Parts: sequence; structure tokens; C-alpha cells
Amino acid sequence: GDSVTQMEGPVTLSEEAFLTINCTYTATGYPSLFWYVQYPGEGLQLLLKATKADDKGSNKGFEATYRKETTSFHLEKGSVQVSDSAVYFCALSGMDSSYKLIFGSGTRLLVRP
Amino acid sequence: DAMVIQNPRYQVTQFGKPVTLSCSQTLNHNVMYWYQQKSSQAPKLLFHYYDKDFNNEADTPDNFQSRRPNTSFCFLDIRSPGLGDAAMYLCATSRDLGAVREAFFGQGTRLTVV
Repeated sequence: GDSVTQMEGPVTLSEEAFLTINCTYTATGYPSLFWYVQYPGEGLQLLLKATKADDKGSNKGFEATYRKETTSFHLEKGSVQVSDSAVYFCALSGMDSSYKLIFGSGTRLLVRP
Repeated sequence: DAMVIQNPRYQVTQFGKPVTLSCSQTLNHNVMYWYQQKSSQAPKLLFHYYDKDFNNEADTPDNFQSRRPNTSFCFLDIRSPGLGDAAMYLCATSRDLGAVREAFFGQGTRLTVV
């Protein structure tokens, strides 16, 4: 069945550092891929998405590229801020899971001033 | 702004006392979901509605029920809450666009069982 694997957290960075959070997936066909962010005590917010191979999703300085050949959708940001501290979830929606969202386990990011 | 709204944000209930959580949406989406999330773990899908069709996940306990009286509203009923049911409950909606099943989440209801 469909699945998503994320790198273990927490990830601790200094402000203005470069961020990468790895995400790989298993699915047949061409699922849609998402990154969601969850701030403390809040619900999930869609950060970015990509719906086909080689698409790049971007929002608020974050980027991720849909790589079919490596089944990956890594999240990157060139310069993180303290306000980026949150939990990040990679997710997919595909045919095998009847298009329900399948989440990774989440990666907590802590950015220090 | 069109939104997914959950009420209340915080709910305290007694062990074994039925409790209902509510969700409303102004997006006019035909799919509504209920997720349970513990301690920033991945959200766990409990069930979802596709229009009026109810779809229960195989491992969702019978203690959890749901109602969707119309497109805009969906309720989560916990018949006899146990201590293990303390969690964040997330409602989400999506429009059926085939594979592009982008979900919009509410802010969640934090349930405490005492």
C-alpha cells in the first residue's frame, strides 16, 4: 500500500541556516504530494503541493520538487527563521489509498535565534 | 474567508461521559474527514464522508461515531470516552478532484478526559 517515510526529528538549526527535510514515498502511478505544517496547538496548514513529476511546489520560501525517479519530495528552505519552528508532515494522495491522505510521521523543526 | 471551523477548541469531558465535537465548513466541499492526532504524531484517519456516504476505517473503534446532517456540518461522537481517547481531533475537507485530493484542516479540538 501507499506509504510515506520522513527523516527523524527533531531538526535543530540556527536562524538563517539552510533546511532540508527528506521525504520519500511508495505508491503506484502518480500520486499527488503535499507538505503540511503544524504550529504548536494548531491544526495542519497546507504549505505546498505538487501533482505531477518534476513539478516544484513553493510557498513562503519553502520548496519541494516531485522526483519520480527517486520517489522523493524533499522540503528545502534557504534561510530559516525562528517562526518556522513547527512540525512538518509530508503526505501523499494516490489511487491505491482511494485518494485519502497518507501522512509521514512528521519532523519537528526547532530554529534557535 | 472560507474556512473549516471546529468547536470547541478545547473540550474537557469525564471518563465515560458522551461527548460531541463539531465541524463546519464554508468551502462547499463534498468530502469531510475526522482525524485523531496524539502528541504531534501523524494524524490517524478515523472516517470520512463522501457526500452522504460514510466510510469507516477498519481500525476505528466502535466508540467513535459520526454524523453529517448536511454538506456544511459534520459531528464526531465519542460514546464513552476513555483516558486513551485524549487527543487532538482534526476535521478536514476536500473537493473530489481525483488524485488532487488536497485537504483543508480546521484548527482542531483538544480533548481532555478526566
